[in-house]
Amino acid sequence: QKEVEQDPGPLSVPEGAIVSLNCTYSNSAFQYFMWYRQYSRKGPELLMYTYSSGNKEDGRFTAQVDKSSKYISLFIRDSQPSDSATYLCAMSAYDYKLSFGAGTTVTVRA
Amino acid sequence: ETGVTQTPRHLVMGMTNKKSLKCEQHLGHNAMYWYKQSAKKPLELMFVYSLEERVENNSVPSRFSPECPNSSHLFLHLHTLQPEDSALYLCASSQAAGPYGYTFGSGTRLTVV
Repeated sequence: QKEVEQDPGPLSVPEGAIVSLNCTYSNSAFQYFMWYRQYSRKGPELLMYTYSSGNKEDGRFTAQVDKSSKYISLFIRDSQPSDSATYLCAMSAYDYKLSFGAGTTVTVRA
Repeated sequence: ETGVTQTPRHLVMGMTNKKSLKCEQHLGHNAMYWYKQSAKKPLELMFVYSLEERVENNSVPSRFSPECPNSSHLFLHLHTLQPEDSALYLCASSQAAGPYGYTFGSGTRLTVV
């Protein structure tokens, strides 16, 4: 079993739709949860991070963590063509050893 | 120049060649990382340097040799690679060796022929 599972997609949605992304994990020690966005031919950039369980909102982005279910989500409201990218979840127990998902490729159609 | 810069952007090398990847960060960070990104696979942590000292060598084959001469520069020396080593190699830095605050470079796309 992989430590972090993420559906690779691809996911294609029309402009303005809500994009829903998620990851499941097996290591109950994970406490730090992150979402990265990676555009083509670029490195990943940090979008959102949360500590332990709960929700966090930043503009059109909402991150949710449910530690009891070992499940994290990222929602993108009012999606734009500029949101087309690969989204990576990442998590850590306490240090620099991040465990990444394989990434979900999202296309927002104009 | 700002951020994390990686050179070259693309590299094609034969299995008997020796080449080096370079990473430079202009952020004043104290930790630097090498990651390998293969298609449809999660990022794999290869090496971690904190304050120029290697703190992690994640079971990486000896044909990959890192070097961190100072806190701003990181190299990955490559020799006698295999075709399965073809991937995107990403450098990242952070203020401290922790879970947050990574800044990634754009990567070097390596093809081994």
